[in-house]
Amino acid sequence: KAGVTQTPRYLIKTRGQQVTLSCSPISGHRSVSWYQQTPGQGLQFLFEYFSETQRNKGNFPGRFSGRQFSNSRSEMNVSTLELGDSALYLCASSLRLAGGLQETQYFGPGTRLLVL
Amino acid sequence: LAKTTQPISMDSYEGQEVNITCSHNNIATNDYITWYQQFPSQGPRFIIQGYKTKVTNEVASLFIPADRKSSTLSLPRVSLSDTAVYYCLVGDGDDMRFGAGTRLTVKP
Repeated sequence: KAGVTQTPRYLIKTRGQQVTLSCSPISGHRSVSWYQQTPGQGLQFLFEYFSETQRNKGNFPGRFSGRQFSNSRSEMNVSTLELGDSALYLCASSLRLAGGLQETQYFGPGTRLLVL
Repeated sequence: LAKTTQPISMDSYEGQEVNITCSHNNIATNDYITWYQQFPSQGPRFIIQGYKTKVTNEVASLFIPADRKSSTLSLPRVSLSDTAVYYCLVGDGDDMRFGAGTRLTVKP
């Protein structure tokens, strides 16, 4: 089974621009979560989508948004980029079975975003 | 909210057993404890997950005391390829908390 894929792998943008990152989950996984990883703040949860609906949201400003499509693929958008948005953005997928039990997440390789 | 605390770094030698402890004093009743391994330029990789007592799989063991306020990841007989950052994760949903990560360096 193919793992979680993320595109692009690397991206350079300038302040004020916007960016869209893409994530394709493992086949059959309906939950997609996004994380930001920086040396200073570590791994921080952005949001989770399940069946095209945002289920959970971390403590990030509204410039960070996402969506999920009917095939479970997900996109994350960051508008009005700031230098501090430079980070590794990770996507993780899981089954999210009924009952809400904590599921194992499988991470993609990430998209490394550099904001100049 | 469960805050997770783990040592910043640890050193070991090949063939030794390594134990990494994570502290999570405010763990909620429904929270599981999960450990991930991360190599440079890769996403975290699932190692093991548990709720209480002891869990063992082919690569590691996870020990959780009765009060569940801490957990210990045990890696038996480490090799050079186990050099990585290890993250403890507690919680779920919007109350998900990763530890800052423990950088394990295995020396020959």
